[in-house]
Amino acid sequence: KQEVTQIPAALSVPEGENLVLNCSFTDSAIYNLQWFRQDPGKGLTSLLLIQSSQREQTSGRLNASLDKSSGRSTLYIAASQPGDSATYLCAVKEIKAAGNKLTFGGGTRVLVKP
Amino acid sequence: DGGITQSPKYLFRKEGQNVTLSCEQNLNHDAMYWYRQDPGQGLRLIYYSQIVNDFQKGDIAEGYSVSREKKESFPLTVTSAQKNPTAFYLCASSRLAGGQETQYFGPGTRLLVL
Repeated sequence: KQEVTQIPAALSVPEGENLVLNCSFTDSAIYNLQWFRQDPGKGLTSLLLIQSSQREQTSGRLNASLDKSSGRSTLYIAASQPGDSATYLCAVKEIKAAGNKLTFGGGTRVLVKP
Repeated sequence: DGGITQSPKYLFRKEGQNVTLSCEQNLNHDAMYWYRQDPGQGLRLIYYSQIVNDFQKGDIAEGYSVSREKKESFPLTVTSAQKNPTAFYLCASSRLAGGQETQYFGPGTRLLVL
């Protein structure tokens, strides 16, 4: 059974520092991996989607890498801002999963201090 | 505006009562999903539907029921059989397109037991 883990569960950094968020998964037979952002009491917003054939994806200050063989993905957020404070979740789409089922990690709660 | 709406934002359930959470989308997506999120945890799939009048159980379907009479709507009923219903419920939708499409999430409904 696929398990997705995000460590640490919480992270606090001063404004301007780069953020590094980690995601690991146990079964490398995936279609893609996705990073989401969730503000308190809100739904999820998709940040980046990396297909299994890709090594990384970039959007503005965000860069996500994928190492499928080792079961790891890392989300980098450059020059963090207080507005980046949120919970970040990663999710994988398995090849053998029915429908478009995603398996989520528990999330990393980020606080960027001004 | 295209998107997913969920109502109500907060819902209170009495012991032994069934309650229904609404989810509507105007994105013309074929697939819709219901997730449950407990504090500090990732999302777990309750039910999903890929086509009208058809739906499949997810990982934690016991105590829940759904219907898909219209493409735009996918209501979730939390029955009295669900003994621990307090959680944040998120609805999502996506195109199917080979299962590599991102899911779009609604704002969520928080269910509390009185």
